[in-house]
Formats: sequence, structure tokens, C-alpha cells
Amino acid sequence: GESVGLHLPTLSVQEGDNSIINCAYSNSASDYFIWYKQESGKGPQFIIDIRSNMDKRQGQRVTVLLNKTVKHLSLQIAATQPGDSAVYFCAESSGANNLFFGTGTRLTVIP
Amino acid sequence: SAVISQKPSRDICQRGTSLTIQCQVDSQVTMMFWYRQQPGQSLTLIATANQGSEATYESGFVIDKFPISRPNLTFSTLTVSNMSPEDSSIYLCSVELGTGGEQYFGPGTRLTVT
Repeated sequence: GESVGLHLPTLSVQEGDNSIINCAYSNSASDYFIWYKQESGKGPQFIIDIRSNMDKRQGQRVTVLLNKTVKHLSLQIAATQPGDSAVYFCAESSGANNLFFGTGTRLTVIP
Repeated sequence: SAVISQKPSRDICQRGTSLTIQCQVDSQVTMMFWYRQQPGQSLTLIATANQGSEATYESGFVIDKFPISRPNLTFSTLTVSNMSPEDSSIYLCSVELGTGGEQYFGPGTRLTVT
């Protein structure tokens, strides 16, 4: 099966700084990637997705970068706010509708 | 997105018993999924539940342990059978909207088996 993992299990950033959360994947056939945010006691919340025919996609305060050469995915959060504190998961799919999740990174925003 | 609800939100059960978790979505969806999230860990797909067909289980999960129903396009149930403490987890349902692959999750059911 696919292997999706994260480089850093925890990340602490000062409020207002930018955050970068990284994710590595092993399946070169993966063609769809999603970032989720999970707050305590809640289900994962869709943040942003990207397909393999793109290398960058921007949303509101978030940017996802995809480097297929090294099978690496990152989520950038601009001007990080206390409400961004959560666990962030990357997930990937190879077209079979099944999502495989990475291990997660806990982001803590320091006021 | 869609509004997805799960019942119960949490439960404490005795080993050897079974619990059925319900997932309701406010729009018709073809594909629904059930995941397990063990404490402090990531999500693992249990099975894919499409209306009108048998659920498709991932490696390590079997129908006898996790029977699934999908009677219509807005509802599904997952039963955790003959529970043991190792089944203590958060169980989440998700739905795929459109054909793009985006999955949206319910709030989860926190199960504790004693």
C-alpha cells in the first residue's frame, strides 16, 4: 500500500508568522492530494487539494506545493493565527477514491 | 460541502458487545467511507460503502467484524462486533462529493471498550 508520512510531528510558530508543514509520499502513481485540519474532538476538515498536473495551488491564507520529483507535499499557512492550532494531515490517492493518510503534524500557535 | 452527522457521538461499551454507528448526510452521495482513528494516530480506511452493492473492505478489516449497511444515498451504518479494548477508537464516516475525489468527514464517534 501507499506510504505517506510527515517529516515533523510537531511544529510551534509565533502568531503572525508563516507555517510550513511537510509531507512525503512513496507512491509515484498518486495523483491527488488533500490537506486536512483536525481540531480536538472533531472530524478532519478539508483545507485544500491539488492534483498531480499542478505544482502549486493557493487558497485563502494557504498554499499547497507539490514536488513530484521527490514525492513531497507541503502546506504553507500565511500569518498563522491561534485558530490554526490543530493537527494537520496530508492524504493521497491514486485514483481509486481511497485516501491514505499521513501520520499528522500538530501545529501550535504561540500568541 | 455537506452536513454530515454521526450517532452516537461517543459511547462506552463492554467487551463482547456490539455497537452500531450511524452516519447521515444532508445530500445524496454515491460514495461513503468508514475510517478508524486510534488514539493519537492517523486515519485508516476500513471500507468503502456504495449504495446498492457490498462494502469493499481494506486489508486487515473483515465484514464479520465490521458489517456495513448502505440502504440509501444519504445513510450508512457501521457495526463494531464482539468488541475488545483494542477496538477503542474514533470511528469516522466520510462522503465524496462530486467526482473530484474530495472527501468530507463527519464529527466522529468516540468508542471506548472496557
